[in-house]
Amino acid sequence: EVVLTQSPATLSLSPGERATLSCRASQSVNNFLAWFKQSHGQAPRLLIYDTSNRATGVPARFSGSGSGTDFTLTISSLEPEDFAVYYCQQRGIWPFTFGGGTKVEIK
Amino acid sequence: EVQLVESGGGLVQPGGSLRLSCVASGFGFSNYWMHWVRQVPGKGLVWISRINSIGSSISYVDSVEGRFTTSRDNAKNTLYLQMNSLRDEDTAVYYCARGVYGDHWGQGTPVSVSS
Repeated sequence: EVVLTQSPATLSLSPGERATLSCRASQSVNNFLAWFKQSHGQAPRLLIYDTSNRATGVPARFSGSGSGTDFTLTISSLEPEDFAVYYCQQRGIWPFTFGGGTKVEIK
Repeated sequence: EVQLVESGGGLVQPGGSLRLSCVASGFGFSNYWMHWVRQVPGKGLVWISRINSIGSSISYVDSVEGRFTTSRDNAKNTLYLQMNSLRDEDTAVYYCARGVYGDHWGQGTPVSVSS
């Protein structure tokens, strides 16, 4: 199965700062890479699908990029509600898999 | 408004069975792939099953293959997960998710397997 490795495990930043989250796949996922946000006690929420497409209602401060095996989620200016855990996920090869997550915490 | 509501979770002994349901509303259920994803509390996410819009194509992750069965009733707008031969390691919150991208999720139903 495709292993997704996320880095860093924890990102400590202040509101207004830029966040850059990385996801590396063990093999090509044909750009079928998504990003989910999970706040404490809630279900995951789709932010980005197929590398760079924002899901409905997702603010423009969220952007995705990358190709092949290396992908990035960027939050241009952190809002208080953005402090959460973020997971990358691939749907290029079954079984679909998630990365281990990056926790974005308040510094 | 798109809504997915899971139910059927609970406490069960090892070797036991449970059937989870996910009732969909606010969209054309019969047009969408549907999925089951689970999460051990405090841990990561595992995508365990998918089913196409008409139920003719179903896939499972190896850890549940042969024990879990996914099905759907499009007339009732409901997705099911029949879980048999449950193990301690199946303890998790189980979510249903909609569509190719997983763009909507239910709130989850907790399953605890313990003697």
